[in-house]
Amino acid sequence: AQSVTQPDIHITVSEGASLELRCNYSYGATPYLFWYVQSPGQGLQLLLKYFSGDTLVQGIKGFEAEFKRSQSSFNLRKPSVHWSDAAEYFCAVGLNTGNQFYFGTGTSLTVIP
Amino acid sequence: DVKVTQSSRYLVKRTGEKVFLECVQDMDHENMFWYRQDPGLGLRLIYFSYDVKMKEKGDIPEGYSVSREKKERFSLILESASTNQTSMYLCASITTGSPSYTEAFFGQGTRLTVV
Repeated sequence: AQSVTQPDIHITVSEGASLELRCNYSYGATPYLFWYVQSPGQGLQLLLKYFSGDTLVQGIKGFEAEFKRSQSSFNLRKPSVHWSDAAEYFCAVGLNTGNQFYFGTGTSLTVIP
Repeated sequence: DVKVTQSSRYLVKRTGEKVFLECVQDMDHENMFWYRQDPGLGLRLIYFSYDVKMKEKGDIPEGYSVSREKKERFSLILESASTNQTSMYLCASITTGSPSYTEAFFGQGTRLTVV
């Protein structure tokens, strides 16, 4: 069965520090991979996605993610975190039929001044 | 821009009431989903629909049903609300077709409290 694991429930970083959020997936083939961000009281907004090709993908708000097939990982990174990045981050796997999406349990990011 | 609209941001209902959560999308997407979000559990799929009048159970369908009479509208129904259904409910509309086009678009969520 497909699954998505986000091993870090909560992360705290200082403003200006770098950030890496981890995501591992379990799927028989290369899935479609996504990172979403959820600000408090809001729906989910797409940060970036990977389907094929270059394994380093760029997204909005200065985020990037790297697909590593050998590790079944799709970690999200940002070189310098801003206070407005404080939110919940979800990694997701989508099947190529488009009719199933699996989400991780989320990582809550706190940014301290 | 794609828009997914959930009819209510906040709802308070009594135990035993029948509750309808409505979701409308404006981009002619085939696939629509209902998720439930709880702290520490992430998003759990309740039901999804890949066409009008079609529905599939997700991971936690018990206590819920759905209706999709029109392509743009996907309704989640709590037949008899219980306190353990207090949660945030998120509707998503998903494109299909070329890989670069596949994406899930979310509504703002409905925070339901059952008292």
